[in-house]
Amino acid sequence: QKEVEQDPGPLSVPEGAIVSLNCTYSNSAFQYFMWYRQYSRKGPELLMYTYSSGNKEDGRFTAQVDKSSKYISLFIRDSQPSDSATYLCAMNYGQNFVFGPGTRLSVLP
Amino acid sequence: DTEVTQTPKHLVMGMTNKKSLKCEQHMGHRAMYWYKQKAKKPPELMFVYSYEKLSINESVPSRFSPECPNSSLLNLHLHALQPEDSALYLCASSQDSGENTEAFFGQGTRLTVV
Repeated sequence: QKEVEQDPGPLSVPEGAIVSLNCTYSNSAFQYFMWYRQYSRKGPELLMYTYSSGNKEDGRFTAQVDKSSKYISLFIRDSQPSDSATYLCAMNYGQNFVFGPGTRLSVLP
Repeated sequence: DTEVTQTPKHLVMGMTNKKSLKCEQHMGHRAMYWYKQKAKKPPELMFVYSYEKLSINESVPSRFSPECPNSSLLNLHLHALQPEDSALYLCASSQDSGENTEAFFGQGTRLTVV
């Protein structure tokens, strides 16, 4: 079993839709969670980070963590074509950042 | 400023060449990382430097040699690479190498070995 699971997609939605991206993890030692956006052939860009259960909002993005279920989510409201990218969840553990495999998102105009 | 700068952006090298990748950050971060990313895969950790000392080497072949000249700079020296080493090489930095910290990535160097 992989440490971090994520549906690879591709996920296609119409412009303006609410997008839900999810990761599950198996290691209860993970305490710090991040979401990155990666455009093709570019480096990952940090979108959100959180270390507590509950919701954290930043503009159109909301990160949600449920440690009891070992489940994290990223919601994107009013999705735009410019949101089309691969979204990676990541968890900080010791001196490493463990990544999910990423979900490819396409927002269609 | 949350910028990590990597040079060059693209590199094509032969299997007998020696080249270096460079990374720079001015955020005062004390941990710096090299990751390798193949197409449609997540980044994989190669090396971690903490306070300018190598703290993690993920069993990377010796044809990859990291160097941390100071707290702002990180190099990756390449020698006698193989075509399967072609990938996006990412540098990252974080406040420190402990837990409860987030990493900031550069745009990467796209390496092609011919």
